Amino acid sequence: KAGVTQTPRYLIKTRGQQVTLSCSPISGHRSVSWYQQTPGQGLQFLFEYFSETQRNKGNFPGRFSGRQFSNSRSEMNVSTLELGDSALYLCASSLGPLAGTGELFFGEGSRLTVL
Amino acid sequence: DQQVKQNSPSLSVQEGRISILNCDYTNSMFDYFLWYKKYPAEGPTFLISISSIKDKNEDGRFTVFLNKSAKHLSLHIVPSQPGDSAVYFCAASATNNNNDMRFGAGTRLTVKP
Repeated sequence: KAGVTQTPRYLIKTRGQQVTLSCSPISGHRSVSWYQQTPGQGLQFLFEYFSETQRNKGNFPGRFSGRQFSNSRSEMNVSTLELGDSALYLCASSLGPLAGTGELFFGEGSRLTVL
Repeated sequence: DQQVKQNSPSLSVQEGRISILNCDYTNSMFDYFLWYKKYPAEGPTFLISISSIKDKNEDGRFTVFLNKSAKHLSLHIVPSQPGDSAVYFCAASATNNNNDMRFGAGTRLTVKP
């Protein structure tokens, strides 16, 4: 069974640009959640989508947005990039909603560098 | 607002000894806890979990202990092996509430041969 796939794996952008990251969950998984990982901050929750609906959103500015398609694939977008947005963005999928007892399956992440 | 805290950013132990990783939480609604392990250039992978109705869960060399009154959990690895060297994240969720899963900042474990 294929795992969680994130694209692109690496990207470099400049301040002010926008970026779109993609995540394909494990087949049959309906929940996709996004996390930002920076040194010392651990995994910061961005948002979760379940059956195309955003269930929860973390404490991030409105420049961070996302969506989920009918095939459960998800995209997240960051507009007007800032230097502090440089991070590893991880996507995770699970069978049920995030607050259940199922484990999360993570992708390898998209490493964003903002210059 | 760090609802899940891992106060030790790093831990170094000798191969064969016990590794103890600690995690504290503040939200009393959390009732399910998980540990994830992350190697460089890979996504985190699930390690072990525990429900709040238990105080201990064991899986091979890995044991998680939960102290609800102290809002504290710990992961014990016995015996530690060099392959256990990774970053360990503690996570908590509120299964009866529409809350997201919160992660700690992680603890980097180094097991020396």
